[in-house]
Amino acid sequence: DAEITQSPRHKITETGRQVTLACHQTWNHNNMFWYRQDLGHGLRLIHYSYGVQDTNKGEVSDGYSVSRSNTEDLPLTLESAASSQTSVYFCASRGTNTEAFFGQGTRLTVV
Amino acid sequence: GQQVMQIPQYQHVQEGEDFTTYCNSSTTLSNIQWYKQRPGGHPVFLIQLVKSGEVKKQKRLTFQFGEAKKNSSLHITATQTTDVGTYFCAGRGLTGGGNKLTFGTGTQLKVEL
Repeated sequence: DAEITQSPRHKITETGRQVTLACHQTWNHNNMFWYRQDLGHGLRLIHYSYGVQDTNKGEVSDGYSVSRSNTEDLPLTLESAASSQTSVYFCASRGTNTEAFFGQGTRLTVV
Repeated sequence: GQQVMQIPQYQHVQEGEDFTTYCNSSTTLSNIQWYKQRPGGHPVFLIQLVKSGEVKKQKRLTFQFGEAKKNSSLHITATQTTDVGTYFCAGRGLTGGGNKLTFGTGTQLKVEL
């Protein structure tokens, strides 16, 4: 069965360190997204990609970057982790005008 | 940019009571989707509405898309403890939205026995 997986599931890092969260999907979807979830804010879009070599900024992109070198993967990098980036991160993928499939989430704590 | 708000933010109900969450977009939507996230879980797709004024039902859940395609609602009849979770609407803009979804702020539902 097709799936979307995130790793790690939990991560504790120190302020200022670079952190990369992995997202891998086997749906063969062109569209992939990274969201962060915080109480009172719902799911906010960080970055998204519509295909290989395509990346776009979402509403809360500062301090984050992504790259898309193949269809299956969209890693999210925090260049210099800050306490404000403590959150739960969800990766999602979808086809054209179809439902989105979410990964299990990564709980990131920046200390 | 496009904004999607949901009310209420939280709702406590007794089992058997009805529940409704409302979703309002700042712009006209091409379609709207609803997702449910159980505590500690990830959002899971429930349904998509496309047509103006569309109403769809899934057992005790009724979904509506407004005539102007800027608002939507989810109504649960006779809630059960299995309905506990956060309900999100997500909209795709009519113009310039591409394939990205803008999620609402979510409504957290708690059901007490």
